[in-house]
Amino acid sequence: AQSVAQPEDQVNVAEGNPLTVKCTYSVSGNPYLFWYVQYPNRGLQFLLKYITGDNLVKGSYGFEAEFNKSQTSFHLKKPSALVSDSALYFCAVRDISSGYSTLTFGKGTMLLVSP
Amino acid sequence: DAGVIQSPRHEVTEMGQEVTLRCKPISGHDYLFWYRQTMMRGLELLIYFNNNVPIDDSGMPEDRFSAKMPNASFSTLKIQPSEPRDSAVYFCASSLQGRGSGNTIYFGEGSWLTVV
Repeated sequence: AQSVAQPEDQVNVAEGNPLTVKCTYSVSGNPYLFWYVQYPNRGLQFLLKYITGDNLVKGSYGFEAEFNKSQTSFHLKKPSALVSDSALYFCAVRDISSGYSTLTFGKGTMLLVSP
Repeated sequence: DAGVIQSPRHEVTEMGQEVTLRCKPISGHDYLFWYRQTMMRGLELLIYFNNNVPIDDSGMPEDRFSAKMPNASFSTLKIQPSEPRDSAVYFCASSLQGRGSGNTIYFGEGSWLTVV
């Protein structure tokens, strides 16, 4: 079984400050990990993914995420937040050790960036 | 690339009416997914297809829900009869299974359904 936990329902940060949105996962094998962003009244947009290789993954809009196998985490980060980053962020995982499996999504974390 | 295209974007219907949601996946993608998003339950996978064949429909809430994929470029999600508790955003998504792609899922903009 695979699962994702996003421990924070909401993250508040001031514009210009660094932001972190947390994600931990559980899989029986090796994970593929994803971050998606959903702006109001829009669909989910793919931000970045970890498949293999470098643990630090860079994605769209200046976001990055670090895969930490020992802590089973994949936190989303950005050095300097923008008000326009305010949105709902979803972490997702797929266990690749047992053939095809669908993505399991977390419950989402609302990011609010204040001016 | 046009992305995943869904229609209608918004629909308001009366309880008991039939609702049909439509989806055109990204060309060449071999997986298609239907998700439902509500405030209470978050994002739920309803059903997914591989090469037009339904693989897992365990997320379909009731027999009132049905989905079809008659060809690689079209799918429908039908609710008959509709009920107020079906009010939600319904997302279609597609992906391509392949080495190195991670099977990234790409979402449409959603169909916002309100049943009154």
